[in-house]
Amino acid sequence: QVQLVESGGGLVKPGGSLRLSCAASGFTFSDYYMSWIRQAPGKGLEWISYISTSGTTTYHADSVKGRFTISRDNAKNSLYLQMNSLRADDTAVYYCAREGRGLSSDYWGQGTLVTVSS
Amino acid sequence: DIQMTQSPSSLSASVGDRVTITCRASQSISSYLNWYQQKPGKAPKSLIYAASSLQSGVPSRFSGSGSGTDFTLTISSLQPEDFATYFCQQSYSTPYTFGQGTKLEIK
Repeated sequence: QVQLVESGGGLVKPGGSLRLSCAASGFTFSDYYMSWIRQAPGKGLEWISYISTSGTTTYHADSVKGRFTISRDNAKNSLYLQMNSLRADDTAVYYCAREGRGLSSDYWGQGTLVTVSS
Repeated sequence: DIQMTQSPSSLSASVGDRVTITCRASQSISSYLNWYQQKPGKAPKSLIYAASSLQSGVPSRFSGSGSGTDFTLTISSLQPEDFATYFCQQSYSTPYTFGQGTKLEIK
């Protein structure tokens, strides 16, 4: 069955960096676009980054552009999000998701919490 | 960015009720509209893609309709496990924006 498992979240000071990972299994990882979506505590969902199957095409929302970088390693079935210059408003649960039919996020990981605080 | 607006923001209903949630896009998105269900402390679950196509394994009491700017999610007969928050999302153009959510509560 499809499984996505995020890791790498935690507490970081403003201006700091963090690298999130998402381990994929149960499907051919290299066949799918992948995304990162976040949810601030008690708030709605914000789609922030996606990456094409080969990794050559990426997209980042304006809120994270220039600070976050999405990447993937198809040999390791892994998705990454490098987060630099973190701010308090980056505090959220970060989910990785598989982009399936209709460009919908058909499978989600359980999420990893990133807290940016001094 | 395309703005997605859901109504109502919250809704109280009883088991067995028929419920409809509406999602409106700020511009036409054809049928690039997805619906998700989220329960407290859990990741969202995909229900419907392309406005009206049911994801595999989703009960048939869920249905979606619409195109252009106006969309609906209907639950034909509410079950206890359906009480959750529902989000719409457009995947017509990046950023793939979400609605603010509709919290469905037990009456």
